[in-house]
Amino acid sequence: SAVISQKPSRDICQRGTSLTIQCQVDSQVTMMFWYRQQPGQSLTLIATANQGSEATYESGFVIDKFPISRPNLTFSTLTVSNMSPEDSSIYLCSVLDRSGNTIYFGEGSWLTVV
Amino acid sequence: AQTVTQSQPEMSVQEAETVTLSCTYDTSESDYYLFWYKQPPSRQMILVIRQEAYKQQNATENRFSVNFQKAAKSFSLKISDSQLGDAAMYFCAYRPYKSSGDKLTFGTGTRLAVRP
Repeated sequence: SAVISQKPSRDICQRGTSLTIQCQVDSQVTMMFWYRQQPGQSLTLIATANQGSEATYESGFVIDKFPISRPNLTFSTLTVSNMSPEDSSIYLCSVLDRSGNTIYFGEGSWLTVV
Repeated sequence: AQTVTQSQPEMSVQEAETVTLSCTYDTSESDYYLFWYKQPPSRQMILVIRQEAYKQQNATENRFSVNFQKAAKSFSLKISDSQLGDAAMYFCAYRPYKSSGDKLTFGTGTRLAVRP
């Protein structure tokens, strides 16, 4: 398994601002993923982040709105840009474990945009 | 495209009793993984159990077990001796085996309540 820490745990943000979420893993992993969970909904993949390359975004998500960095094998950030109330969600970082079998999740970052 | 269906939005169980959560999926792949994740009010997604499609034996983890029916594309979760701490959202998820980078596809979730 992997221990994944996310910061911030929770934040209230003003409309039009941007916020960066950090994800730290206790071991080196190749694949990191960012998910969004809107209130009362299931999880939707935003993008896959590989170290040393551009993130791969899912349909409906664009780099200008959700820029991602992956500077090394244990760390990634997701920025939610120019936020609107529709961006109020839980954002979850996840990693593929070293066996390549299982995806583990961080504690999530709960953002409320007012 | 793969889809995962959880037809029970909410379930309730008496403490110490057994409950089964249903999940069906659709895929053209022959090799894949299936998962059950638990999301308590703390929001963290916690892995409950994993099943590899090539294994005929149903996975078990303590009080949690699955009934994996590959031909029927069914993957139900049985929770025995239910405890108050089992109350949470439960998500069924699918991931193909073909490469290490493929994403998880989630069902819509089942909210489990445990009555004392």
